[in-house]
Amino acid sequence: AQKITQTQPGMFVQEKEAVTLDCTYDTSDPSYGLFWYKQPSSGEMIFLIYQGSYDQQNATEGRYSLNFQKARKSANLVISASQLGDSAMYFCAMREIIKTGANSKLTFGKGITLSVRP
Amino acid sequence: GAGVSQSPSNKVTEKGKDVELRCDPISGHTALYWYRQSLGQGLEFLIYFQGNSAPDKSGLPSDRFSAERTGGSVSTLTIQRTQQEDSAVYLCASSPGTGSGEQFFGPGTRLTVL
Repeated sequence: AQKITQTQPGMFVQEKEAVTLDCTYDTSDPSYGLFWYKQPSSGEMIFLIYQGSYDQQNATEGRYSLNFQKARKSANLVISASQLGDSAMYFCAMREIIKTGANSKLTFGKGITLSVRP
Repeated sequence: GAGVSQSPSNKVTEKGKDVELRCDPISGHTALYWYRQSLGQGLEFLIYFQGNSAPDKSGLPSDRFSAERTGGSVSTLTIQRTQQEDSAVYLCASSPGTGSGEQFFGPGTRLTVL
């Protein structure tokens, strides 16, 4: 089974509107971390936000927030007030901390393409 | 400060040749990772170095792939006898080994095997 699932087709959003990018994950590790990265067409991977499995509150970073639903094993990224510069590929990733270590590899989903329309 | 740097940015080689890809991590970062990204796909883990510990090589796809990290800093990924399926972008990342363990990525090396 895939550990990280991102199944949305290409997403479109109007500038200044909010958009939710879906991510579900699969792990038996009780301690894990969830990450979202942005990859613009230039190719660099840009870290956006982190959620630990034991964090009581949803993570927020500026216009980014993570809708963490532990029982459903989902970690959706919410981007508020979309900007043209948000057009990019977005990747959800997970680290299984007990299984592989506190700073070990990330397992990535296949990504979602977001296009922001003016 | 300086981010993760990788060289070369592009590499075109012929099938069967060996290639070396270099990664300079952020100074002071104890962890270093190599990933591979095929066209339009997510990142595939290759290898991970943490300080002086034995590297996690569990993602290397074949024994044609190897990597080393000298002096706890610079890393070289070597692909021997390259095949066309090795064509991809090879991304290096480093992490300070504290906090959330966020990984900082380099710009990648685009490898094309003809």
